[in-house]
Amino acid sequence: ILNVEQSPQSLHVQEGDSTNFTCSFPSSNFYALHWYRWETAKSPEALFVMTLNGDEKKKGRISATLNTKEGYSYLYIKGSQPEDSATYLCAWRPWDTGGFKTIFGAGTRLFVKA
Amino acid sequence: DGGITQSPKYLFRKEGQNVTLSCEQNLNHDAMYWYRQDPGQGLRLIYYSQIVNDFQKGDIAEGYSVSREKKESFPLTVTSAQKNPTAFYLCASSIGGQGAIGGYTFGSGTRLTVV
Repeated sequence: ILNVEQSPQSLHVQEGDSTNFTCSFPSSNFYALHWYRWETAKSPEALFVMTLNGDEKKKGRISATLNTKEGYSYLYIKGSQPEDSATYLCAWRPWDTGGFKTIFGAGTRLFVKA
Repeated sequence: DGGITQSPKYLFRKEGQNVTLSCEQNLNHDAMYWYRQDPGQGLRLIYYSQIVNDFQKGDIAEGYSVSREKKESFPLTVTSAQKNPTAFYLCASSIGGQGAIGGYTFGSGTRLTVV
């Protein structure tokens, strides 16, 4: 199983800070990359699906970029709010499984203090 | 509202017992999946099913079994052969399996503890 690495493992920020996390994945054999947000005691929910090198996606204060050639994606949160506190998962889908298999990173846990 | 329901939320199992975790979806999704989460690790695939009456082993299938008799249901049995079953189990579904670009819809999980 090829690894998907997320950094940092956890992050503590103050309300209003902007922050970013990294997801690293194998640069070959790329099909798609997903970002999920997982709040405590809830189900993970989909944030973005990214398929093309150079993709940029945005949802409110959250945005993501993708570099498939070097195998990384960044997730940015502008002006963090306490409700942004959650674990952010990235998930890489390799081409040689038809995009069917998904390999998850361990997540970045974000704590936003009011 | 459509979604995935997992039950129970918490489950305690004695050594040597089999237990079954329920997963039901009303999204009309073809594909369903079971993942396991352990502390500090990413979700790991146990079993998946692309269509009714068909399922495939994932990366850590040993000690687990599944069935897919109905499109909406994909129960997971944790057998006594699973050496370390204490974990958090997540069920997911997706519109299609192979080739579908959409992501997963997840349930809220079952936490299994062996006592």
